[in-house]
Amino acid sequence: DADVTQTPRNRITKTGKRIMLECSQTKGHDRMYWYRQDPGLGLRLIYYSFDVKDINKGEISDGYSVSRQAQAKFSLSLESAIPNQTALYFCATSDLMNTEAFFGQGTRLTVV
Amino acid sequence: GQQLNQSPQSMFIQEGEDVSMNCTSSSIFNTWLWYKQDPGEGPVLLIALYKAGELTSNGRLTAQFGITRKDSFLNISASIPSDVGIYFCAGPTYSGAGSYQLTFGKGTKLSVIP
Repeated sequence: DADVTQTPRNRITKTGKRIMLECSQTKGHDRMYWYRQDPGLGLRLIYYSFDVKDINKGEISDGYSVSRQAQAKFSLSLESAIPNQTALYFCATSDLMNTEAFFGQGTRLTVV
Repeated sequence: GQQLNQSPQSMFIQEGEDVSMNCTSSSIFNTWLWYKQDPGEGPVLLIALYKAGELTSNGRLTAQFGITRKDSFLNISASIPSDVGIYFCAGPTYSGAGSYQLTFGKGTKLSVIP
């Protein structure tokens, strides 16, 4: 089993719908991240959490919200999806002593 | 914020050739990380560099932490088809209260022609 698991792997949704992407990890890491990948733009940070009570905005947080339900779970919500949120979304984890991040397999989201 | 500039953006090479790509920044980094993303998968860490001037190998991959701490390069020797993917450099940027987050370059897309 993967150390960082994202669900769903693929999702098509309509404009205006609320959608949640989920991430769970078995690495025991405190830090969790949500990134967005668009062609040619690399990985951009949406939100990050350093522990259950800590939530921080990243570079592109507008239109997104997150919830850290437990050390192992970090979910990303799009309150009202729009087409330019069509992208590949990655969850990642790292531990307190190390900046190296470990990624899930990604969720491909299409907003029509 | 700090930005990482990767070059080239993409490259097409013949199988067996060596590959070189680099990453530069206007700011100093204390750590350089190189990731590879296979098609349809998440990025996977290849090499981590922690010290200026450090040269580290992982099989056919070699990466160096530039002496100025503002650049790093990744070399792949004798490329094979499974080297295809996107290669990202990354480094920690300070996010306040003693914490760091990773900043990524935009990636180098590598295609290998058999």
